[in-house]
Amino acid sequence: GNSVTQMEGPVTLSEEAFLTINCTYTATGYPSLFWYVQYPGEGLQLLLKATKADDKGSNKGFEATYRKETTSFHLEKGSVQVSDSAVYFCALSDRGGANNLFFGTGTRLTVIP
Amino acid sequence: SAVISQKPSRDICQRGTSLTIQCQVDSQVTMMFWYRQQPGQSLTLIATANQGSEATYESGFVIDKFPISRPNLTFSTLTVSNMSPEDSSIYLCSVAEGEQPQHFGDGTRLSIL
Repeated sequence: GNSVTQMEGPVTLSEEAFLTINCTYTATGYPSLFWYVQYPGEGLQLLLKATKADDKGSNKGFEATYRKETTSFHLEKGSVQVSDSAVYFCALSDRGGANNLFFGTGTRLTVIP
Repeated sequence: SAVISQKPSRDICQRGTSLTIQCQVDSQVTMMFWYRQQPGQSLTLIATANQGSEATYESGFVIDKFPISRPNLTFSTLTVSNMSPEDSSIYLCSVAEGEQPQHFGDGTRLSIL
């Protein structure tokens, strides 16, 4: 079946530190992979996506590379800001982008000045 | 991407009552989904709202508890029936078109006393 395993939080970093949030997946076929972000009191926003192996998704300084050989999609950012404080969800879809999203448990990131 | 409006944004309800949550989209979309996010947890798909026919429910969710309507391609409602404190969650509507990723509303924060 499909599942996503995500690095447990919470994660606390100082401003300008390097961020990695690990995500690995189990899926049949060739899933699409996503990172969503949930800022305090808000819904989920799509942060980035990758639809095939070796694709790199990027947005707002965040990056993640679809690694089929390690079944991973780790989220990275070189220099975090206080405004990046949020909960980050890794997700996969086994039928393109639209259907049946499977979410990880979420990782809460707090960036302190 | 589509603009999604969810109402109410939050509510506090008495046990045994029911609440209907509305999801309005500013454009016609093929797919609409309802998710539940229990406190501190990830998202779980409740059902796919099908235009003009009965919703497709995921394992563990039933129509009697979570009736869903979708009268057209821009609007859907989710009712949480006979509420108990265990129903205290954030309920999120999402939409998708074709192979594009799902986009989420800001959610409805529901507390049951």
